[in-house]
Parts: sequence; C-alpha cells; structure tokens
Amino acid sequence: AQTVTQSQPEMSVQEAETVTLSCTYDTSESDYYLFWYKQPPSRQMILVIRQEAYKQQNATENRFSVNFQKAAKSFSLKISDSQLGDAAMYFCAYKLANAGGTSYGKLTFGQGTILTVHP
Amino acid sequence: GAVVSQHPSWVICKSGTSVKIECRSLDFQATTMFWYRQFPKQSLMLMATSNEGSKATYEQGVEKDKFLINHASLTLSTLTVTSAHPEDSSFYICSASLGTTYEQYFGPGTRLTVT
Repeated sequence: AQTVTQSQPEMSVQEAETVTLSCTYDTSESDYYLFWYKQPPSRQMILVIRQEAYKQQNATENRFSVNFQKAAKSFSLKISDSQLGDAAMYFCAYKLANAGGTSYGKLTFGQGTILTVHP
Repeated sequence: GAVVSQHPSWVICKSGTSVKIECRSLDFQATTMFWYRQFPKQSLMLMATSNEGSKATYEQGVEKDKFLINHASLTLSTLTVTSAHPEDSSFYICSASLGTTYEQYFGPGTRLTVT
C-alpha cells in the first residue's frame, strides 16, 4: 500500500521569506500523481500544485514550486515570498495514475503540516 | 468551474437519530465521488468511494451499515449517518471527479455534532 509521510507537524515563516515543506512517499508504482493541497481555517481544500511522476521538470505555480525527486521518493513544496494568506494546513497527497481495481483513483494524504506566517 | 457544494454546512443532531449530508457537483457530471472524515488538526481519512449507479466501496474499518452512501445521479451523492453517536461528531468532506483518472474537486465540508 502507498503511504505518504509529512515529518513536520508545524512550520513557521516570516512574511516575505521562503519556507519548504517536506513530503516523502512510498510506492512500488512508476506512474502516479503527487499533489499539495492547502486547507485554510475555512477548511476548504484548495489544490496548490500537481506533479506527474513521468515529468522530470518540477511543477511551479507562481510563488509555489516543488522539488520532485522520484528516486528518493521525495516531494517538497517551496513557498516563496510568503504571505499572511498562506497560513494554513498543507497536505501532500499521492494518487495512482492508472486507477483500477480497488484503487478507484483514491488520494492518499500525508498527516499535514500547519504553516504559520508571522508578520 | 468545477464547483462542489455540500449541505448542510453544519448540523447538530441528537444521539440515536440519523442525519443526511448532500454533496453536489454544480457544473460538471461526477462519475466518482469520495467521502472523507477529518478530526481537528488531522488528515483526511477516506471513508468510501462511490460511482454513479453502483454500490459504494468502503475503506477497511468503515461500517457500511452506519455510513450509508448513495450516488443516484451524476451530480448528487448523499452520506447518511445512521443512529448517530457522539463519537461520530466530526468534519465530513466530499470530493467529486469526472472519473478515477481525473482531478478531485472538494466540497466545503460539513461539521456534524452529535449531542
């Protein structure tokens, strides 16, 4: 079974600074997707960034970028120029690409990292 | 696009009663819907996966007779918590997808409190 591990329960950053959130995963599959989701105090899940495992290039979305290391099974999220609105709980998630059988395209989530942004 | 709604957003019920939570995809047809449970400051735990027109697939440890899931149309799935007890109090989140290989879009969640 696939597992996703976020080893940082809490992180903090000063406004305008850069912070990196860590994520490792375990899978025997070669074709999958990785995601970072943000859950602000409203608790609405928001997709931050997505990475296809077959792509070597790291995904970027404005101030958010990932460092995808497939061999090391590592998928960290870098937030540049942190803003107060970035404060949230961040979840790393894995999804098998070729869903079938009992997988049904399920997302497997990490434990989450609470990010605090200090003004 | 890709908006998912949940109703109600917050519900209080008495122990022993049943409560129904609706999940709707507002602007797309959701072949697959997922139901999650989340405790404060914890991760999302997948409860079940439902495909339109077929029975839901429950995760190990989730009581299918207690958490009834119906996905009767391509835009609506319901979760009914039967004979609710205080330990069922939690935040329930649904997500909807065009299919298993597509993106999941999340609803805003429903806070259930059982007294």
